[in-house]
Amino acid sequence: NAGVTQTPKFQVLKTGQSMTLQCAQDMNHNSMYWYRQDPGMGLRLIYYSASEGTTDKGEVPNGYNVSRLNKREFSLRLESAAPSQTSVYFCASSEAVGGYYGYTFGSGTRLTVV
Amino acid sequence: AQTVTQSQPEMSVQEAETVTLSCTYDTSENNYYLFWYKQPPSRQMILVIRQEAYKQQNATENRFSVNFQKAAKSFSLKISDSQLGDTAMYFCAFMSLARSYGKLTFGQGTILTVHP
Repeated sequence: NAGVTQTPKFQVLKTGQSMTLQCAQDMNHNSMYWYRQDPGMGLRLIYYSASEGTTDKGEVPNGYNVSRLNKREFSLRLESAAPSQTSVYFCASSEAVGGYYGYTFGSGTRLTVV
Repeated sequence: AQTVTQSQPEMSVQEAETVTLSCTYDTSENNYYLFWYKQPPSRQMILVIRQEAYKQQNATENRFSVNFQKAAKSFSLKISDSQLGDTAMYFCAFMSLARSYGKLTFGQGTILTVHP
């Protein structure tokens, strides 16, 4: 099925470990995003990529890096995980049609840092 | 920067009744979109309804409708004939049309429980 695929779905890390969350979309969308979801705070934008070859910081970028590997893939890296990065992470992609960006979300990654 | 506020952390309703979820937002822009997303226990984000700010008519999608008050910056969601499957977290979200590249600003969310 067409959509946004995130891997892994669940992950437990120890403080200080690193990992990369993978995201791929097969809808030929130009824009991709990484959000984190925390209780009582909704979803907050970490980084986004308006188009292939560009990335920009969102609301909460500290502690993260991203790579837009190609038009399909947008990865999120935690270099040295901290307990404050325990969260559910969502990748999404969108395409602008007449100024409106129609979103497709991945199914999320639940990350626990102990 | 835009902000979105959902002041009701939790709501509950009896099956077949009507419930309204509140959302207010703050922006200096004139052209934007507003959304309600549903997140069931599966974690999947599902678009419920969207409203273009330039449209005065309130959006409706089957049992879901909004009350969009642009001057008051209010965007509430009414769910009629509530069903058990409506039990979920609901998020209000804002999207600017001004060089935003589709970035969404979300509210804190409201957990809705529908009781049989």
